[in-house]
Amino acid sequence: QVHLQESGPGLVKPSQTLSLTCTVSGGSMRSDNYYWSWIRQPAGMGLAWIGHIYSSGSTSYSPSLKSRVSISTDTSKNQFSLKLSSVTAADTAVYYCARIKWKDAYTMDVWGQGTTVTVSS
Amino acid sequence: QSALTQPASVSGSLGQSITISCTGSSSDVGRDKFISWYQQHPGKAPKLVIFDFTHRPSGVSNHFSGSMSGNTASLTISGLQAEDEADYFCSSYTNNSALYVFGIGTKVTVL
Repeated sequence: QVHLQESGPGLVKPSQTLSLTCTVSGGSMRSDNYYWSWIRQPAGMGLAWIGHIYSSGSTSYSPSLKSRVSISTDTSKNQFSLKLSSVTAADTAVYYCARIKWKDAYTMDVWGQGTTVTVSS
Repeated sequence: QSALTQPASVSGSLGQSITISCTGSSSDVGRDKFISWYQQHPGKAPKLVIFDFTHRPSGVSNHFSGSMSGNTASLTISGLQAEDEADYFCSSYTNNSALYVFGIGTKVTVL
């Protein structure tokens, strides 16, 4: 059973870079069957896709965040990471990592529990 | 890339059936029909309940069903149970642009 776990600072200062890591256990990130994604959810609001990465290293990002976001993988550690630069209070949210199963219509079939990030000085 | 349209709230009595709509455009929902539905209880991570607009993952109750017509996908919950009270989000993936978009979410209340 694959399990995803987010980790990283819960508090980031405005204008700094938010960095989160998702550790994948119970399965290999090297599999060609999956993409690996980040999604966020501000308090009381809906889900917002941030971006995803494939095993080849190819990425896709939300147009609204593309200039500030970077997703990378470290397959030796079975981890993938999110970096979001120049953060503001609007980036305060619960951040989720999720696995995308492209053979099942690109569905996000496994989710981490989420980690809360607050942007504040 | 606009959020998909869902009703803000839907309610039904125990045992009744409800349907939640998810409307997009021919550029997203209607294009590749890669539609998924997620259930989210308060303080919890989303859980997949429908993928490929009509398929249920293993372990998901068969009282969840999905369908599509044109640019609108729908999730039907038959025989409402107390544990179905949650937020529900649809999502659409567009293959040529490799972009996802989520619906705004629907709060389901079981009366």
